[in-house]
Amino acid sequence: QQQVKQSPQSLIVQKGGISIINCAYENTAFDYFPWYQQFPGKGPALLIAIRPDVSEKKEGRFTISFNKSAKQFSLHIMDSQPGDSATYFCAASRAGTALIFGKGTTLSVSS
Amino acid sequence: DGGITQSPKYLFRKEGQNVTLSCEQNLNHDAMYWYRQDPGQGLRLIYYSQIVNDFQKGDIAEGYSVSREKKESFPLTVTSAQKNPTAFYLCASSPRLAVSTDTQYFGPGTRLTVL
Repeated sequence: QQQVKQSPQSLIVQKGGISIINCAYENTAFDYFPWYQQFPGKGPALLIAIRPDVSEKKEGRFTISFNKSAKQFSLHIMDSQPGDSATYFCAASRAGTALIFGKGTTLSVSS
Repeated sequence: DGGITQSPKYLFRKEGQNVTLSCEQNLNHDAMYWYRQDPGQGLRLIYYSQIVNDFQKGDIAEGYSVSREKKESFPLTVTSAQKNPTAFYLCASSPRLAVSTDTQYFGPGTRLTVL
């Protein structure tokens, strides 16, 4: 049973464009939703995270939008740059459990 | 220089051999985790530990074993019972397990190839 579904699997965006990655979850007990960024051959690193008591969180060019009723959250990357080319993972957790990850989205930003 | 170290970066093993992957953290974190990453599969949890001498199975624990004798160390042994061990293995840690909002930090990973 896949508890966190992520789409698309891959994404190609032009430099300066907006990249949007979506995730849906099933367990309403989840209370923490982070996004991780991973470059080839490296471990993932936390990019931005949100809790369900807010609908949006912005850090620089990265924004999480959260829709509690739809059980969905998304990552928006504004003004996408070639350096943003990486694999992005959404995740979810609740107290007492480890993170559950989506399958990842490979983003390529073309210059 | 704080963080999580994993060694070796690349590891080759012959079929039928056990191999141990090292993970050390100097962040004073209580919780530690092992994930396996395969192309298109995301990160799948193998084992996790929230305190010394305690660990729990994750989603894909079969063919793996762990120990947590010291707070800073959480080695993973890939046994010969693991049917498809070739993968990228990631170790992670967080301050606590019981608090979901604690950030999980990842090590650089070990790529295991079975020949």
